[in-house]
Amino acid sequence: DSGVTQTPKHLITATGQRVTLRCSPRSGDLSVYWYQQSLDQGLQFLIQYYNGEERAKGNILERFSAQQFPDLHSELNLSSLELGDSALYFCASSVALGDEQFFGPGTRLTVL
Amino acid sequence: DAKTTQPPSMDCAEGRAANLPCNHSTISGNEYVYWYRQIHSQGPQYIIHGLKNNETNEMASLIITEDRKSSTLILPHATLRDTAVYYCIVRVKNSGGSNYKLTFGKGTLLTVNP
Repeated sequence: DSGVTQTPKHLITATGQRVTLRCSPRSGDLSVYWYQQSLDQGLQFLIQYYNGEERAKGNILERFSAQQFPDLHSELNLSSLELGDSALYFCASSVALGDEQFFGPGTRLTVL
Repeated sequence: DAKTTQPPSMDCAEGRAANLPCNHSTISGNEYVYWYRQIHSQGPQYIIHGLKNNETNEMASLIITEDRKSSTLILPHATLRDTAVYYCIVRVKNSGGSNYKLTFGKGTLLTVNP
């Protein structure tokens, strides 16, 4: 158990819908990162936050957005969902930027 | 971030040492070598990292060559639970930059056999 929690574990929805994935970092960690893992793309970095501020973006679609709240939990919002958005979404956290990242168990999103 | 090269798969007998190689010939002086593993569809698990000295923790040992162009992760007594994809990643640590993403390649699928 890494100490990072993610909810829900599984999510099944339809194309065109919007979902929110939630992540609670380890106690004391200020940095949160989101990654997407699909069968054809492998693990891809999406976005990172530090103490509530966005610090870097990766291959994150415009339909996706995220934020980190004052209590340091983070949410990843996915809208206008497409079949290709079906993937595992992982959240990771670290004490500070650049430190070792510890991953949560992931949310498996299935878009039908 | 420097690119890494790992064999796609390896086998190891249970109880024996597993030695997983990684080439990172273009590594920069301020880049660390990180190892993570992912057991089927679980979240990646941090194993160990190092800059130039050999490192050991309760999970594994990391041996980095003197020229830092390659490294080896050693699991001293592999068990069936160590079957996973192992990722070698090079990345700066705390450089004052802004992006500390981990760039995952395809990794090495280590299969530990009974």
